[in-house]
Amino acid sequence: SQELEQSPQSLIVQEGKNLTINCTSSKTLYGLYWYKQKYGEGLIFLMMLQKGGEEKSHEKITAKLDEKKQQSSLHITASQPSHAGIYLCGAEFMTTDSWGKLQFGAGTQVVVTP
Amino acid sequence: EAQVTQNPRYLITVTGKKLTVTCSQNMNHEYMSWYRQDPGLGLRQIYYSMNVEVTDKGDVPEGYKVSRKEKRNFPLILESPSPNQTSLYFCASSTGTAFLHFGDGTRLSIL
Repeated sequence: SQELEQSPQSLIVQEGKNLTINCTSSKTLYGLYWYKQKYGEGLIFLMMLQKGGEEKSHEKITAKLDEKKQQSSLHITASQPSHAGIYLCGAEFMTTDSWGKLQFGAGTQVVVTP
Repeated sequence: EAQVTQNPRYLITVTGKKLTVTCSQNMNHEYMSWYRQDPGLGLRQIYYSMNVEVTDKGDVPEGYKVSRKEKRNFPLILESPSPNQTSLYFCASSTGTAFLHFGDGTRLSIL
């Protein structure tokens, strides 16, 4: 979706290093959702952010939503091989014609090397 | 076990031959949706359904049909498939629109 831009498109990180993925919206978000996908498989829900300035953590993954609710970041600390995969952000927008429509960014492929 | 089941998982077919991809969920979810995933484009929504007999177009509905006669099932129908519909398809369900449970995907190749 051009309304939701993810960066980088891919990244390679050495095991134990940190990484950050960004998701930027051209419109104000009602909610921002992070999913992880292993190649060719279905998506697994990671986290949901709805309030401006909100931050959530689960194990070594932290997601933040900015105050304006247009940008989110996903940060992984001390990456492990299990963190490899494709990370996608999904969003619901604050517009009346967006109800029921969850749009996704193009995804960020993460490779973790030994 | 809570799950979304798609069938078939893989299909190679020819242009114009009608096909149906089935999707079934056992979580009593009201909301169901179909997506296609293409390299560099991410997931794009095809159709979604808020409940039985209630369906609506997503971002890329052309060439697809859906029906929601029962809560648990949401089949995706390609009446006359074309090569540009070659893709990886996902069905998802949820009680809302965001906490989606995804199926394992169906890889369609249309020659």
